[in-house]
Amino acid sequence: GAGVSQSPSNKVTEKGKDVELRCDPISGHTALYWYRQSLGQGLEFLIYFQGNSAPDKSGLPSDRFSAERTGGSVSTLTIQRTQQEDSAVYLCASRIRGNQDTEAFFGQGTRLTVV
Amino acid sequence: AQSVSQHNHHVILSEAASLELGCNYSYGGTVNLFWYVQYPGQHLQLLLKYFSGDPLVKGIKGFEAEFIKSKFSFNLRKPSVQWSDTAEYFCAVNQGSSNTGKLIFGQGTTLQVKP
Repeated sequence: GAGVSQSPSNKVTEKGKDVELRCDPISGHTALYWYRQSLGQGLEFLIYFQGNSAPDKSGLPSDRFSAERTGGSVSTLTIQRTQQEDSAVYLCASRIRGNQDTEAFFGQGTRLTVV
Repeated sequence: AQSVSQHNHHVILSEAASLELGCNYSYGGTVNLFWYVQYPGQHLQLLLKYFSGDPLVKGIKGFEAEFIKSKFSFNLRKPSVQWSDTAEYFCAVNQGSSNTGKLIFGQGTTLQVKP
């Protein structure tokens, strides 16, 4: 596709349920990132993929959060047993490669509301 | 830990006023610096970036930023704002030595331009 695509755009879930958020990066981009944008917290890094491997998971807030990437393309962020503090906009970004001197392109995000 | 600080959280200007948004970071090594903008209802877009060379960088829509290494700063400027500049602005940094390219963001500055 022309840009980074995320689905769903909005998700409302009950506390305790699991959710899956999907990211389709720009074709050919080997580096993929998940960030979280919370009110008052700004944008926080969650995880970085290079191909299908995740060499940096340092931003995942708890073991309820996991992510995978398959075929060097689509990535899924899974949150188990959601809590109200998980409510945020989850952003995905991709770069042509993981080196620092390339631009990251962002998707429109998934707004997650846990009720 | 590396951090980015944006001093102005909410700025209100009239059209044609000049803009300067502050950004300071806390990392002593080589850095790459970015300003992203998020217009209402849209995804994050890159305004400008600094990797090396001339510390005064020009971006899209008449924006520019100056990297002052001694002050750990990368302030964003525009001589004359327009109503269409109303948006949220994020400063971001990654370490030049990083092989992940992950971005550390400031908390954002909301700019409201009155017509």
